Amino acid sequence: DAGVIQSPRHEVTEMGQEVTLRCKPISGHNSLFWYRQTMMRGLELLIYFNNNVPIDDSGMPEDRFSAKMPNASFSTLKIQPSEPRDSAVYFCASRFSGGPRDTQYFGPGTRLTVL
Amino acid sequence: TQLLEQSPQFLSIQEGENLTVYCNSSSVFSSLQWYRQEPGEGPVLLVTVVTGGEVKKLKRLTFQFGDARKDSSLHITAAQPGDTGLYLCAGQGSGTYKYIFGTGTRLKVLA
Repeated sequence: DAGVIQSPRHEVTEMGQEVTLRCKPISGHNSLFWYRQTMMRGLELLIYFNNNVPIDDSGMPEDRFSAKMPNASFSTLKIQPSEPRDSAVYFCASRFSGGPRDTQYFGPGTRLTVL
Repeated sequence: TQLLEQSPQFLSIQEGENLTVYCNSSSVFSSLQWYRQEPGEGPVLLVTVVTGGEVKKLKRLTFQFGDARKDSSLHITAAQPGDTGLYLCAGQGSGTYKYIFGTGTRLKVLA
């Protein structure tokens, strides 16, 4: 199994530009999470999908952030317009939700730098 | 708001030494997980504990969930350079799917 796949691995953009991060979860997993990690705030949950439906987006910082999951094998996180404070590593994770000992598998992350 | 405080924040030790990392909260969790994250990679799950007082061993790593399910510890025996990384605890609240991540402990084991 290839694991969770994220692209791009690195993104450098200028303030005001649109940024789209992509994620392919592990086949068969029914839950998908987007996280953001910074030195100051640690690892924060942005949004959670279950069976392709957004269940909780309370962690999304503001309206500039949006996420979609059009099918079970693909999700995007979009930032428009981007700001320097959005610079962070963004992780996608997936799991099959069947019980409290379910394993959440993280992708390698996308390191975003907004200049 | 549920918060998970980890201590220490940073730890640098010599190969062969023992260490303990703590994860504390004032909230009760239905389960707690420990992850290790290496530079440039995502966190990797080490263990999940569910029952108060539960102890799990993974080779030289011993994990314990507090009796009241508010805290946890990770003990490493005879640390090796390969243990170097960021250790994260994550607690799941009752009736939720969310895991709240701790502040992290950055461990460096010197050869």
